[in-house]
Amino acid sequence: GDSVTQMEGPVTLSEEAFLTINCTYTATGYPSLFWYVQYPGEGLQLLLKATKADDKGSNKGFEATYRKETTSFHLEKGSVQVSDSAVYFCALSATGGSYIPTFGRGTSLIVHP
Amino acid sequence: SQTIHQWPATLVQPVGSPLSLECTVEGTSNPNLYWYRQAAGRGLQLLFYSVGIGQISSEVPQNLSASRPQDRQFILSSKKLLLSDSGFYLCAGDRMASGANVLTFGAGSRLTVL
Repeated sequence: GDSVTQMEGPVTLSEEAFLTINCTYTATGYPSLFWYVQYPGEGLQLLLKATKADDKGSNKGFEATYRKETTSFHLEKGSVQVSDSAVYFCALSATGGSYIPTFGRGTSLIVHP
Repeated sequence: SQTIHQWPATLVQPVGSPLSLECTVEGTSNPNLYWYRQAAGRGLQLLFYSVGIGQISSEVPQNLSASRPQDRQFILSSKKLLLSDSGFYLCAGDRMASGANVLTFGAGSRLTVL
């Protein structure tokens, strides 16, 4: 079945540092890929998405590129802020078969001033 | 756009008591709806999903149940809570956005069973 693997957290960074959170997936066909973010005490919200190979999703300074050859969708940000502290979830949604999204376990990001 | 409302936001219940969490959807018709649970420091566990009124699929065996009495209403229930039912419960609905099936989540309901 489909699966998503994220790097273990927590990831701890100083403000203005470069961020990478790794995400790889296994799926049949050509899934859509997503990053969701969960701020403390809240529900998840969509951060960015990509629907086909080589697409780049971007939002709020975050970027991720759909790499079919490496089945990856790594999240990056050039300069993190304290307000970026949250849990980040990588997810996929298959284009055929089950429509139910598959989530990774989440990666906690802590940014210190 | 789609908005998910959940209530109550927080509740503390004794073991053995009943539970009812409610979720309503605004902005879309006939969405697929989901209940997730998130234990402390853990990922998301899909509990139930529904493709329409009265249609419920369960992903894990447990003492919880779900119902969808109306197109935009999704209810999570239990007759007798266990300590292990404590957690953060999230309702979500899906919608198509630019060719992708995107989930919109509610703000969550934090349940503590004592």
